[in-house]
Amino acid sequence: GDSVTQMEGPVTLSEEAFLTINCTYTATGYPSLFWYVQYPGEGLQLLLKATKADDKGSNKGFEATYRKETTSFHLEKGSVQVSDSAVYFCALARSGGYQKVTFGTGTKLQVIP
Amino acid sequence: ETGVTQTPRHLVMGMTNKKSLKCEQHLGHNAMYWYKQSAKKPLELMFVYSLEERVENNSVPSRFSPECPNSSHLFLHLHTLQPEDSALYLCASSQEIGTGYNEQFFGPGTRLTVL
Repeated sequence: GDSVTQMEGPVTLSEEAFLTINCTYTATGYPSLFWYVQYPGEGLQLLLKATKADDKGSNKGFEATYRKETTSFHLEKGSVQVSDSAVYFCALARSGGYQKVTFGTGTKLQVIP
Repeated sequence: ETGVTQTPRHLVMGMTNKKSLKCEQHLGHNAMYWYKQSAKKPLELMFVYSLEERVENNSVPSRFSPECPNSSHLFLHLHTLQPEDSALYLCASSQEIGTGYNEQFFGPGTRLTVL
């Protein structure tokens, strides 16, 4: 079945550091890929998405590129801020019919001033 | 109210209690979802409703009983729970289900503790 694997956290970075959170997936066909973010005390919010190979999703300075050859969708940001502290979830969804979203376990990011 | 709201935000119950979680979406969506979020585990999809009809039930124990009286409201009725059921229960909604990705909008969750 489908699965998503993320790097375990927590990840602790200083403000303005470069961020990479690794995500790889297992799925047949061509799923859509997503990053969701969960701020403390809140539900998940869609951060960015990519629907086909080589697509780059971007939002709020975050980027991720759909790499089919390596089945990866790593999240990057050039300069993190304290306000980016949250839990980040990688996810995939198949197209066609009912779409079930498969989530990773989440990676907690803590940014210190 | 905007988006997806959930009540209560926190709930502590004994194993013999009966309680209900409530979710309301103010987005005009047609599909609603219940997820269970446990520490260090992927989100687990529990139930999916489309236009008040249940379309997915992911082998969830019968001590969890969903109800969707209309497309804006979703309930999760709880009875005789176990301590391992302690988790964050998230509700989500989307415009619809079907071909093409429909973004899911999540509520803040109910933190459930079973004693």
